[in-house]
Amino acid sequence: SAVISQKPSRDICQRGTSLTIQCQVDSQVTMMFWYRQQPGQSLTLIATANQGSEATYESGFVIDKFPISRPNLTFSTLTVSNMSPEDSSIYLCSAQGAKVTEAFFGQGTRLTVV
Amino acid sequence: AQSVTQPDIHITVSEGASLELRCNYSYGATPYLFWYVQSPGQGLQLLLKYFSGDTLVQGIKGFEAEFKRSQSSFNLRKPSVHWSDAAEYFCAVGALDTGRRALTFGSGTRLQVQP
Repeated sequence: SAVISQKPSRDICQRGTSLTIQCQVDSQVTMMFWYRQQPGQSLTLIATANQGSEATYESGFVIDKFPISRPNLTFSTLTVSNMSPEDSSIYLCSAQGAKVTEAFFGQGTRLTVV
Repeated sequence: AQSVTQPDIHITVSEGASLELRCNYSYGATPYLFWYVQSPGQGLQLLLKYFSGDTLVQGIKGFEAEFKRSQSSFNLRKPSVHWSDAAEYFCAVGALDTGRRALTFGSGTRLQVQP
């Protein structure tokens, strides 16, 4: 199994600012994903972080708002840009090995925008 | 596209009672199915998963789930609930052959345990 570390674990940010969340996996993984969990809601996929190329975004999410990097097979970042209170959510990083049956999650980043 | 339905938003059971959380999926081929638990303020912990073989799957913390293809269901069960089981439970489906590797999650079921 893979262990995923996310930083920061929580933050309170001013509206209009940006926050970058880091995701570090302890082993090389094939796929990395970013999810959003709004208060009291389920997980919604933001994007697939592709190693060495632009991320693939889901409908309703755009690169200008959620730029993602994945410079190698163990690390990815998600930036939440120009934040508003509606961006207050838990953001979770996920990784998969070669098999879709192996799906691991970080502890999440709890973001509050004031 | 695959989808997951968890019909019960909130369930309350007494400690020591049995538990069944429902999950129905929609997917054209054989899905990969997961149950995760999320305690307040925590990330997701994998309870169990099914991808082939025996349709009754054993997981951690005394949980089990049964895959029923005819009913498109993957219900989670526990014979005797402990107070520490109070949490949010998510069912998720994955599909290798669609090219979409990310999991699709249900809306979750919040479990409350009464003493």
